[in-house]
Amino acid sequence: AQSVTQPDIHITVSEGASLELRCNYSYGATPYLFWYVQSPGQGLQLLLKYFSGDTLVQGIKGFEAEFKRSQSSFNLRKPSVHWSDAAEYFCAVGFMEYGNKLVFGAGTILRVKS
Amino acid sequence: KAGVTQTPRYLIKTRGQQVTLSCSPISGHRSVSWYQQTPGQGLQFLFEYFSETQRNKGNFPGRFSGRQFSNSRSEMNVSTLELGDSALYLCASSQDGVRGGYTFGSGTRLTVV
Repeated sequence: AQSVTQPDIHITVSEGASLELRCNYSYGATPYLFWYVQSPGQGLQLLLKYFSGDTLVQGIKGFEAEFKRSQSSFNLRKPSVHWSDAAEYFCAVGFMEYGNKLVFGAGTILRVKS
Repeated sequence: KAGVTQTPRYLIKTRGQQVTLSCSPISGHRSVSWYQQTPGQGLQFLFEYFSETQRNKGNFPGRFSGRQFSNSRSEMNVSTLELGDSALYLCASSQDGVRGGYTFGSGTRLTVV
């Protein structure tokens, strides 16, 4: 079965420091890859997506992610974190072969300390 | 361009009742998916509709059902509510499924008492 692993449940970063959130997936081929962010009580906002081509993807709010096929990973990065980045981040993979559904990781809660 | 609109935002229902949630997708989007989010199970896929046809269904009991109308608006229904159905229900729309990427609504928070 397809699965997505976000190994870090919580991460605390100082404001201005760099950030990397990890995501690994289990699937034979290259799926469609996404990162979403969710503020408390809100829906999911798409940060970036990867379908094919350049493995370094730029997103909104200064985020980027790198797809590494050999490691089945799609890690999210930001060079300098702002207090407003505090939220929960979800990695998701999509599979057309399995009915156009998204499989989500468990999420990583980001705390930003001033 | 209006986003995905879900109504109502909050609902409180009693065990045994039924509930209907509504989702209006982004104009031009024909694929609508529903997800359930709970603290214990995370985000789980319920079903996906495309051009009024259910293309895929997640591992949920038959009490959960949905439909899509000709204007792409979608509804999901939960009958005989249980306490465990308390969750945030999220709707997402796309032009053509996963390939187009999904845009999510703000969700409906359902509380079953």
